[in-house]
Amino acid sequence: DQQVKQNSPSLSVQEGRISILNCDYTNSMFDYFLWYKKYPAEGPTFLISISSIKDKNEDGRFTVFLNKSAKHLSLHIVPSQPGDSAVYFCAASPYGQNFVFGPGTRLSVLP
Amino acid sequence: DSGVTQTPKHLITATGQRVTLRCSPRSGDLSVYWYQQSLDQGLQFLIQYYNGEERAKGNILERFSAQQFPDLHSELNLSSLELGDSALYFCASSVQPGQLYEQFFGPGTRLTVL
Repeated sequence: DQQVKQNSPSLSVQEGRISILNCDYTNSMFDYFLWYKKYPAEGPTFLISISSIKDKNEDGRFTVFLNKSAKHLSLHIVPSQPGDSAVYFCAASPYGQNFVFGPGTRLSVLP
Repeated sequence: DSGVTQTPKHLITATGQRVTLRCSPRSGDLSVYWYQQSLDQGLQFLIQYYNGEERAKGNILERFSAQQFPDLHSELNLSSLELGDSALYFCASSVQPGQLYEQFFGPGTRLTVL
């Protein structure tokens, strides 16, 4: 039973446009969420996080939105760049316990 | 470069065999985590160590074991290997064991069991 779901295995976006990656979770005890980016042959790297006390966190071109009632979060990348092409993992943690990762979404930004 | 190193990069072995994966955390990081990523799966948390002591266990099989040594490097031992154990194994480290701290991931070890 997947507690963290990323229902889109892949996404293609034109350079300069907005990329929206979605993540749904089932465990209402999750209170801290992260996004990681992974390039081929490399380990995941931390991108951005959000605590359940917020509904938005912004860092440059990256913004994460959290909708607690819908148990949904999304990562917006504006504007998208070819270097953003990677696999993006959503991860959730309940009360500081170990993170549960989603299966990832492969983003392709087309020039 | 995250500062976390993992060896070997690739490992090919046969069913029934035993392998050891090695991880050196970032300088100063006391906590080490092991994850397994199978095809089309997310990262499955296996086990966590903090300063030499086991801190948390996830979906780790009994055939798998790990330890963290006094110099803080960690090893993941996989025994009686099965075809389904073929996966990418990642090690991550963080300064503290709490999950509010960013984890830095190594490049992974790709294990292929034939």
